[in-house]
Amino acid sequence: AQSVTQPDIHITVSEGASLELRCNYSYGATPYLFWYVQSPGQGLQLLLKYFSGDTLVQGIKGFEAEFKRSQSSFNLRKPSVHWSDAAEYFCAVGPGYGGSQGNLIFGKGTKLSVKP
Amino acid sequence: DGGITQSPKYLFRKEGQNVTLSCEQNLNHDAMYWYRQDPGQGLRLIYYSQIVNDFQKGDIAEGYSVSREKKESFPLTVTSAQKNPTAFYLCASTPRRHTEAFFGQGTRLTVV
Repeated sequence: AQSVTQPDIHITVSEGASLELRCNYSYGATPYLFWYVQSPGQGLQLLLKYFSGDTLVQGIKGFEAEFKRSQSSFNLRKPSVHWSDAAEYFCAVGPGYGGSQGNLIFGKGTKLSVKP
Repeated sequence: DGGITQSPKYLFRKEGQNVTLSCEQNLNHDAMYWYRQDPGQGLRLIYYSQIVNDFQKGDIAEGYSVSREKKESFPLTVTSAQKNPTAFYLCASTPRRHTEAFFGQGTRLTVV
């Protein structure tokens, strides 16, 4: 079955520290991969996406993610966290090129808190 | 500015009443989606539509209905058959398959 797992429900980091949010997926074919961010009471904003090519992708707000096919992972990283990064982060997968019709599958999210 | 507009932002409903959530997009996207979000549950797909006058049930369609009479509009009706309708509802659209989804700002529905 297709699924996305974000193992960490809640993470707290200090401002200026590095961050890594984990995402593992189960998918029949090579998927397209996404990370979204959501502030409280708001919609989701796309941080970055992986379709093909270089497995290290850069996104907005200084975020990056690395696709590791062998580990079925797409972890999100940031070298130095800012207080404004406190939000909830969602990993999502969708059918890749040539895949059958389908919709995005979302993980349950990781809430990030930032300590001053 | 192009985008997705959901209205209202907050909605209160009495038990037993139907209520309709609005979603409009001016991005000229073909596909539109409705998701329900509950704390700790992520996003669950209610309905989606790939083209006008056609839509399909998602994972949790029971108690909901939709229509797609125009490309830019995809309203969601929460019926009295939905036993636990209090949630945050998100509308999204995509220009075509295999691309990222664009989201509205959400509607928080509360049953009182």
